[in-house]
Amino acid sequence: GAVVSQHPSRVICKSGTSVKIECRSLDFQATTMFWYRQFPKQSLMLMATSNEGSKATYEQGVEKDKFLINHASLTLSTLTVTSAHPEDSSFYICSASWGRTEAFFGQGTRLTVV
Amino acid sequence: AQKITQTQPGMFVQEKEAVTLDCTYDTSDPSYGLFWYKQPSSGEMIFLIYQGSYDQQNATEGRYSLNFQKARKSANLVISASQLGDSAMYFCAMREGPGGGYQKVTFGTGTKLQVIP
Repeated sequence: GAVVSQHPSRVICKSGTSVKIECRSLDFQATTMFWYRQFPKQSLMLMATSNEGSKATYEQGVEKDKFLINHASLTLSTLTVTSAHPEDSSFYICSASWGRTEAFFGQGTRLTVV
Repeated sequence: AQKITQTQPGMFVQEKEAVTLDCTYDTSDPSYGLFWYKQPSSGEMIFLIYQGSYDQQNATEGRYSLNFQKARKSANLVISASQLGDSAMYFCAMREGPGGGYQKVTFGTGTKLQVIP
């Protein structure tokens, strides 16, 4: 199957700082990447969809100025959590697709804001 | 209304036995796709199996099969010959609309499967 690499896998940051999470498709060109958030013991909630070279489409209730998404190339999308606060602590996971039926997921990033 | 419903928060199965994880869905779109993903404790989401709404036969992938009952809007996952490594969270998901390009997928709440030796 296709490989999607997400980095870092874990990050702890101080309240008020920004954190960048990378999502890379290693062996295919991802025309679309998705960013999800998962709270403990809950399902994945789609935050935004990004297509290479265009602005991300955010789901209702997701602050686009807080969660900055960049999809500058066909193999890389980044999610930046700006001015992070403890309530932003969560598991963030990306997926990538190139028009096939299924999307492939990264390993996820566990963010803890202290 | 929930688009994907998984009514079993937790399931136990004896090693080497088969287990069925339930999933029902709700959509008015005639073209859709149904997925099952496995999420081990490490967190990554592993694609298991896919069923398209127009597929005539139930999907199978190794020990995984999808029992697709379109009229009942159910897409249950059957795992045969359970192994200890099958212990994980399992998510049912749905894409509405034709595949290709943009694919917004909605996930169910998941079922935690524990395989007992």
